[in-house]
Amino acid sequence: DARVTQTPRHKVTEMGQEVTMRCQPILGHNTVFWYRQTMMQGLELLAYFRNRAPLDDSGMPKDRFSAEMPDATLATLKIQPSEPRDSAVYFCASGLDTPRDTQYFGPGTRLTVL
Amino acid sequence: TQLLEQSPQFLSIQEGENLTVYCNSSSVFSSLQWYRQEPGEGPVLLVTVVTGGEVKKLKRLTFQFGDARKDSSLHITAAQPGDTGLYLCAGVVPGNTPLVFGKGTRLSVIA
Repeated sequence: DARVTQTPRHKVTEMGQEVTMRCQPILGHNTVFWYRQTMMQGLELLAYFRNRAPLDDSGMPKDRFSAEMPDATLATLKIQPSEPRDSAVYFCASGLDTPRDTQYFGPGTRLTVL
Repeated sequence: TQLLEQSPQFLSIQEGENLTVYCNSSSVFSSLQWYRQEPGEGPVLLVTVVTGGEVKKLKRLTFQFGDARKDSSLHITAAQPGDTGLYLCAGVVPGNTPLVFGKGTRLSVIA
């Protein structure tokens, strides 16, 4: 049963600390997405990749967020320095081929920045 | 900017009741997807509707895509506690751009 995996599932950190979230997309999927979910804003697209190349990261605060795909089995989202307003659930999703295809979501990383 | 408005935002009903939630936009979508997200998990695809006027049934869930492909509805018959969750609609826009998600309807079915 192929699934997207994310680590860690929960992270509590202090303001100013670096946070790294990891995602393993479903094998064979070519697109990877990073989302942030809050009650107020809902699901916000932060960045997405196709064939490991970043296609759009306009949803990310550039000064503190960065997203990479070192290889086809790993995507990372980094926040440095973290701020309390970054507290949210971060989801990774992968899709078969194009950004329009069905997305398969991981279980999320719940981040709390104190 | 394509926006998907979902209503109601919150819905709390008793087991056995029927309900309908809506997903509306001023934009035309090539297709529309419905996802359900359970507490502590990521969204999971329920259905994709493609043709204007299309109706799809998934057990007690009935999905309809508007004739003009700008809106959609989800009707649940005889709701059960297991239907509790956040229901998200997501539109596919022309071009090779990602899905546009609505903010969702949070459904609570009380036994």
